[in-house]
Amino acid sequence: GAGVSQSPSNKVTEKGKDVELRCDPISGHTALYWYRQRLGQGLEFLIYFQGNSAPDKSGLPSDRFSAERTGESVSTLTIQRTQQEDSAVYLCASSLSPSGSPSTDTQYFGPGTRLTVL
Amino acid sequence: AQKVTQAQTEISVVEKEDVTLDCVYETRDTTYYLFWYKQPPSGELVFLIRRNSFDEQNEISGRYSWNFQKSTSSFNFTITASQVVDSAVYFCALSAPNTGNQFYFGTGTSLTVIP
Repeated sequence: GAGVSQSPSNKVTEKGKDVELRCDPISGHTALYWYRQRLGQGLEFLIYFQGNSAPDKSGLPSDRFSAERTGESVSTLTIQRTQQEDSAVYLCASSLSPSGSPSTDTQYFGPGTRLTVL
Repeated sequence: AQKVTQAQTEISVVEKEDVTLDCVYETRDTTYYLFWYKQPPSGELVFLIRRNSFDEQNEISGRYSWNFQKSTSSFNFTITASQVVDSAVYFCALSAPNTGNQFYFGTGTSLTVIP
């Protein structure tokens, strides 16, 4: 597609439920990042993928958070047993990363998924 | 450790005024990259500029200009003759490939341009 897409755009869930957030990166982009943005805050790194591998999961806040990527394309961020503090906008970004060092590349962001945990 | 500081939380200017958004970074790496992104009210971050640590030349793109000074670890962004459409949150970011592939974002500066 033309840009990074994310779905759903909005998700309201009850505390304790599991949610899945989806990211479709720009076609051909090998690197994919997930960020969390709390209201009025900056971007908090969660995890990044190079291809289908996740070399750096250090930003995942707890073991309730997990992510996977398949086919060097779509990625899913899963939050189990959601808590109210998980409420935030979850942003996905992709980059071409031809050198295999994605931090040298420009990231292109999706519109985000706004998650509200009641 | 890598860190980006955007000390200005909110700025308001009147249309046509010039405004500078400050960004100060910390890194021990000699090779690093700096970025600016714009997040308009619609929410989607828009890439503005990428600069590597070996290129200290200032850059101008229309009404936008960037001043990179390694001596003060700053990468400031100036909008000349501001317009209402410039109203957004602006983020500065840093990456340092030799110490991992994370991007470090500042907390953002919210710019409001008053007509």
